[in-house]
This record gives sequence, C-alpha cells and structure tokens, in this order.
Amino acid sequence: QSVLTQSPSVSAAPGQEVTISCSGSSSNIGNNYVSWYQQLPGTAPQLLIYENNKRPSGIPDRFSGSKSGTSATLGITGLQTGDEADYYCATWDSSLTARVFGGGTKLTVL
Amino acid sequence: QVRLVQSEAEVKQPGASVKVSCKASGYTFNTDAMTWVRQAPGQGLEWMGWISAYDGHTNYAEKFRGRVTMTTDTSTSTAYIELRSLKSDDTAVYYCTRDLEGAGRTFGYWGQGTLVTVSS
Repeated sequence: QSVLTQSPSVSAAPGQEVTISCSGSSSNIGNNYVSWYQQLPGTAPQLLIYENNKRPSGIPDRFSGSKSGTSATLGITGLQTGDEADYYCATWDSSLTARVFGGGTKLTVL
Repeated sequence: QVRLVQSEAEVKQPGASVKVSCKASGYTFNTDAMTWVRQAPGQGLEWMGWISAYDGHTNYAEKFRGRVTMTTDTSTSTAYIELRSLKSDDTAVYYCTRDLEGAGRTFGYWGQGTLVTVSS
C-alpha cells in the first residue's frame, strides 16, 4: 500500500492529452514539493517534473505538472506511442521522515 | 555529465547478504548524497534511504533498519548498499540515485539498476 495514491492505469489515443493524478495528505504533498518520473519498459526511471511544475533540461514542454492542496497532477499533451510507460509521483513525507512514491500509473497510448 | 554505474546482477540464497556498488562520475562525489531505491518485479518504486558522502550520515527507511548498511568510498567515488538476511521478497532491481542540482529530494540521476535475485 503506497502512501501516495495513483490510478493504476490510463489510456488515450495518439495526439490526445492525458492527466495522471497523485493524491496524498498534509504530511506529504500538502507541504512538500512533488516530482514525477517516467519509466519506460526495462529501463530506469527518468525525472520529468520537479518542484511541482519545473522541467529538467531536455524534457519537452508536452509534460507539465501542477499541485493543489494535497493532490498533484501530471499532464501530457500530444501523446506519442513512445510515451507508453509507467509514471510515478514522489515527495517527502514529514511524518514518516521518508521519501515516498505513488504506486505508479501505466499509460497506454492506443 | 553525471553518470552512475552499478555493479552486475547477483543471485543469492535466502539468509545471505548482498552488496551492490554504484560508481559516480561527473560531479564532486564527496559533497553530495546518494539515495537508494528498489523495485520488485512488476511492482512500484520503494525508497530505502540515503547516505551523505560528505560525512557518512545515513537515513534508512524504517522497514530496512537493522538489515541495511549504506557506505561510501570517496577515494573511488563509489557508494555501496549492503542488505543482510535476504528473503525472497528482497528480489528486486536496486537503483542508486542522486538529487538534481539545486532541487533537494528529487531523484535527478539514476544508475542503470542491479537485479538481485534471492532464490534457493
């Protein structure tokens, strides 16, 4: 059971947009930055979004992040087949004094 | 550029120990920390803890305390994680990670992962 809650799967057609949500509490998302990671099949995760809505160098602006209260959202526009991957949110939990992850959302681009 | 290169896959028997290494390059190793994350087959990511390469301070996830030891060798810019009393559910890919510059608690860089299989 993950501390952060994500829907197990989401799907959309190429060219469409999708949002992936991450729900937590005041001890984690509510008072700490959220980051997002993309894990392509058989590879290590890659940072997509940090500090709620910032993109590292090299990450296209098709990827965006936002946070409101105790939830965060990853948005992906102009979906491509190469976006098929697992997506994870993460943050710090002040009560657990630990970094925590969501359970992951599998994106299928139909 | 930052690179984290991990040791090869390991197969261990239940009850044994495993030590995974992570050689860093492209930044000043001894001023930073290394974080370890694992992923069981078909499962999500799990934070295990971190170690400061500056002073050796560690913060282990409660689940692993007493069974894990993280160390660093600043002379070779290498971090290690040792997990003892292995059980079958320790079978996982173990990743070393480093925070993105200027963005604490962000897994900015990842090693390629080391598969540890625990089986009799």
